[in-house]
Amino acid sequence: EPEVTQTPSHQVTQMGQEVILRCVPISNHLYFYWYRQILGQKVEFLVSFYNNEISEKSEIFDDQFSVERPDGSNFTLKIRSTKLEDSAMYFCASMGRGFTDTQYFGPGTRLTVL
Amino acid sequence: AQSVSQHNHHVILSEAASLELGCNYSYGGTVNLFWYVQYPGQHLQLLLKYFSGDPLVKGIKGFEAEFIKSKFSFNLRKPSVQWSDTVEYFCAVRGGSQGNLIFGKGTKLSVKP
Repeated sequence: EPEVTQTPSHQVTQMGQEVILRCVPISNHLYFYWYRQILGQKVEFLVSFYNNEISEKSEIFDDQFSVERPDGSNFTLKIRSTKLEDSAMYFCASMGRGFTDTQYFGPGTRLTVL
Repeated sequence: AQSVSQHNHHVILSEAASLELGCNYSYGGTVNLFWYVQYPGQHLQLLLKYFSGDPLVKGIKGFEAEFIKSKFSFNLRKPSVQWSDTVEYFCAVRGGSQGNLIFGKGTKLSVKP
């Protein structure tokens, strides 16, 4: 069964550094998402991406965040200058061709900002 | 604002007991509802979903959920739990125009053998 994959599984960085989290969605999917889960809290929507552009974003997704689909297979989330409060599990998800489809999630990247 | 409430943070049951996990949502439009499960260190896995039609939906591993529109609820049920059901369960509603999901805080289920 096709899977969404994410790398790295765990990233440790210093405050103020840039990080790039990588995702490989399922190959024929058209909709891509990033979510995050701060320890002990709910999974929160960050951004959705369709047709090579951001289609919707939450208020969490400020100017420090950006997303890219650089080569038709990878889907990346960049945090320009990390803060302590960015420490969380970041999940990538992809969905097929319509809103009746299921979102498939990756295993997550645990980001620790020191 | 759209929201999902899961009232039980942690539920402890003995094997073979029946399970019902509560989920209430607040959303004004057409609802698509989901239950996901998260095994430690693994991705969120879909248990079941409701889009339309029969409000009683059946999912994998013997789980089912009932959509009750008048109560804004989508409770998850299983008649007889097993030790392997010890994981965290998340209810979600599709809330955005681009299909993004809004999650509840999750309910951890512990099943004693």
